[in-house]
This record gives sequence, C-alpha cells and structure tokens, in this order.
Amino acid sequence: AQKVTQAQTEISVVEKEDVTLDCVYETRDTTYYLFWYKQPPSGELVFLIRRNSFDEQNEISGRYSWNFQKSTSSFNFTITASQVVDSAVYFCALSEVRTGANNLFFGTGTRLTVIP
Amino acid sequence: NAGVTQTPKFRVLKTGQSMTLLCAQDMNHEYMYWYRQDPGMGLRLIHYSVGEGTTAKGEVPDGYNVSRLKKQNFLLGLESAAPSQTSVYFCAIGLAGVYEQYFGPGTRLTVT
Repeated sequence: AQKVTQAQTEISVVEKEDVTLDCVYETRDTTYYLFWYKQPPSGELVFLIRRNSFDEQNEISGRYSWNFQKSTSSFNFTITASQVVDSAVYFCALSEVRTGANNLFFGTGTRLTVIP
Repeated sequence: NAGVTQTPKFRVLKTGQSMTLLCAQDMNHEYMYWYRQDPGMGLRLIHYSVGEGTTAKGEVPDGYNVSRLKKQNFLLGLESAAPSQTSVYFCAIGLAGVYEQYFGPGTRLTVT
C-alpha cells in the first residue's frame, strides 16, 4: 500500500537559515507522482511542485529546491535563506497512476516556523 | 484557489443533524475530490468523482455521501453528524493527465 512519511513534525529556524524538509514514500507502482503543498496560516493549500517517477533531476525555483532520490524513496524539499513568509505547514503527497483518478495520499505535514 | 469555492466556510452542528457542503468550480476540470484534514493526520480522501454522474469512495468514506449531478458541483453530505466528523473539509479539482490538484479554501465543521 502507498504511504508518505514526514518524520519531522515541527521545525524552527532563524530567518536566513537553510532548512530541509524530509519526505519518504512507499509505493509498489513504478509510475507515480510526488508533490509538495504549502499551507500558510491562512489555511489554503498551495501547490508547489510535481515530480514524476521517471525524472530524478533536482529542481530549483528561486529559494526552493527539491531532491528526488528513487534509491532511498525520498523527495526532500530545501528552502534556502528562509524568510518569515515561509512559515507554514508543508505537505508531501503521492499519486499512483494506476488509480486512474489522480488520488493524492498525503503525509502528516511538517510545521515550519521561521523566527525573525 | 484556482476557481474553487466552498460553501459554507464555517458550520457548527449538533450530533445527529445533517448538512451538505457544496464545492463549485469554474475551471471545467473533470475530477473533483473531498478531503478532511485533522490535526496530526494530514489530508485524507473521503470521496471523489471522475466525471458528472460518477462517484467513488476514498480512504475514509464512512458517514458521508456525495453527489455530482453537474460537472461543476460536487456535494458532500453528512446524514447524521457525529463529533468524530469535526474537521476541516477541503474540496479539490484535477484534470485527467495533469496530476496536481487545486484546492478550495476549506470548510471548518464542528459537531458538538
């Protein structure tokens, strides 16, 4: 069965520090997608990135970067030079193509607090 | 929120009461989903729909029913609310072949 584990429940960093959020997943499928979503204090869920199982290239978008490693079933998210606006709960999620409906399985989230 | 609205935003129910949550989209997406978010448990899929007139059970469907009579609307019903259904409910939409989902603003439901 599919599973997404975010072992870090809460992380606090001082502004401008780098921080990495860990995500480990389990799936029996060879074709799947991984995601990160951000939930700021206002409560909405914001899509950040999608990565498919055949693309292990790391991705960088501004201060955000993602490291996908199939060998360790991990899809980690790094924020460089963190800012107070990065304070949020971050969710990692998995979608298995075989379901045919793009259903998402979420981890339990990591609450990031950036201290000014 | 990518053209996804949820009604109501907040609701308090007494045990045994019923209610319907409405999700509406203006994006013409085929797929629609209902999730619940509970502290420490992330989001869990309740029901989903891959098109008008079709629905299917997700991970935690018990105590809920859904309907999708129109493509743009997805309704979530609680026939007899229980305190265990106190949660934040999110609707999401998706497109076939595009795997990310876009979420509505959420509905906070309290059952006393």
